[in-house]
Amino acid sequence: DTGVSQDPRHKITKRGQNVTFRCDPISEHNRLYWYRQTLGQGPEFLTYFQNEAQLEKSRLLSDRFSAERPKGSFSTLEIQRTEQGDSAMYLCASSSDRTPYGYTFGSGTRLTVV
Amino acid sequence: SQQGEEDPQALSIQEGENATMNCSYKTSINNLQWYRQNSGRGLVHLILIRSNEREKHSGRLRVTLDTSKKSSSLLITASRAADTASYFCATDASDTGRRALTFGSGTRLQVQP
Repeated sequence: DTGVSQDPRHKITKRGQNVTFRCDPISEHNRLYWYRQTLGQGPEFLTYFQNEAQLEKSRLLSDRFSAERPKGSFSTLEIQRTEQGDSAMYLCASSSDRTPYGYTFGSGTRLTVV
Repeated sequence: SQQGEEDPQALSIQEGENATMNCSYKTSINNLQWYRQNSGRGLVHLILIRSNEREKHSGRLRVTLDTSKKSSSLLITASRAADTASYFCATDASDTGRRALTFGSGTRLQVQP
């Protein structure tokens, strides 16, 4: 296992289009997190899964955002009707119950909405 | 919203010098972590200090934590050009039930060769 994988690395989309990102966590990690990072800022929490259950969502996660982790393994983050303000780096991280503080981050998906 | 502020926002030093970055936070924490991010990349975990610890070392890194002042510092000794990156502190308040990290706004470190 080579760590947390995110796909795609970059996505350019037109305003109003829908986009979906994928995150594959470390296989034995049951906790999965999504963060958003805008230029020059630190990451901001979006949502958290423990296994397949989505246990926490930030107020940043508007109705246009939805995240799933159907089998408790990979996760998807979908943004509907994208807006220019959605342009950011979307980061995924995972950890496990045995090492809850050992977060591993993926390299992120850079979204540009034009 | 972001938990804390980091100071300075940007730091430029010469190779071999020490770099000190400070982080302040607002709420009670279980632990505080420092991460490094190279431009356009993901975050790499550097070091974790628990709320009952005051100082921790890892290689050229030294982290202090003052819970009474709600502040932490990261010292990188004998800096190298390869240390050029952004550094973020992140607080974990999982004792309160919150399961996510709250990041500061980061310090951008430039180490001149």
